Amino acid sequence: DQQVKQNSPSLSVQEGRISILNCDYTNSMFDYFLWYKKYPAEGPTFLISISSIKDKNEDGRFTVFLNKSAKHLSLHIVPSQPGDSAVYFCAASVAGRRALTFGSGTRLQVQP
Amino acid sequence: DTAVSQTPKYLVTQMGNDKSIKCEQNLGHDTMYWYKQDSKKFLKIMFSYNNKELIINETVPNRFSPKSPDKAHLNLHINSLELGDSAVYFCASSPRTGGPTDTQYFGPGTRLTVL
Repeated sequence: DQQVKQNSPSLSVQEGRISILNCDYTNSMFDYFLWYKKYPAEGPTFLISISSIKDKNEDGRFTVFLNKSAKHLSLHIVPSQPGDSAVYFCAASVAGRRALTFGSGTRLQVQP
Repeated sequence: DTAVSQTPKYLVTQMGNDKSIKCEQNLGHDTMYWYKQDSKKFLKIMFSYNNKELIINETVPNRFSPKSPDKAHLNLHINSLELGDSAVYFCASSPRTGGPTDTQYFGPGTRLTVL
């Protein structure tokens, strides 16, 4: 039972354009959401997070949007750079339970 | 000055063997985790330790036994390895005790191949 779903296994965008990565979840108990970035042969690296009490969090070129009623979040990268090419994982946690539930990842390719 | 390190990075072994993976973090974090990334690329929590105490134990075969000698180390010992244990295993740590919103920091992973 996949509680966190990333339905697009891959995404390709041109350098300088916006990348939008999507994530859906089913567990209404999730109250904290994170995005991780992963390069081959490396561990996931924390990128940005959002609490369920917010609907937007911004950090430089990265913005995460949360729509609780739709149980949907998205990561926007503007402008996209070739170095952003990686696999992006959406993750979520339940208050009081110190474990993350991950999606299956979206591979982003930014074309120069 | 690696924050979360794992050894070995690659491990190839025969079915039935016993092996260990070591994890160390130098971030001063209280909580450490083991995740398994399966063939479908999902990362799934296996165990979590807080200050050397087991706090999460997912439905993992008892052939897997975590050991935390101190809060900076969390090792994973696997007995009687099976083909299905082949995966990438990630160690992680997070800074706070009891906080639900802590960011987890991951090691580079150990790719285990069971032949």
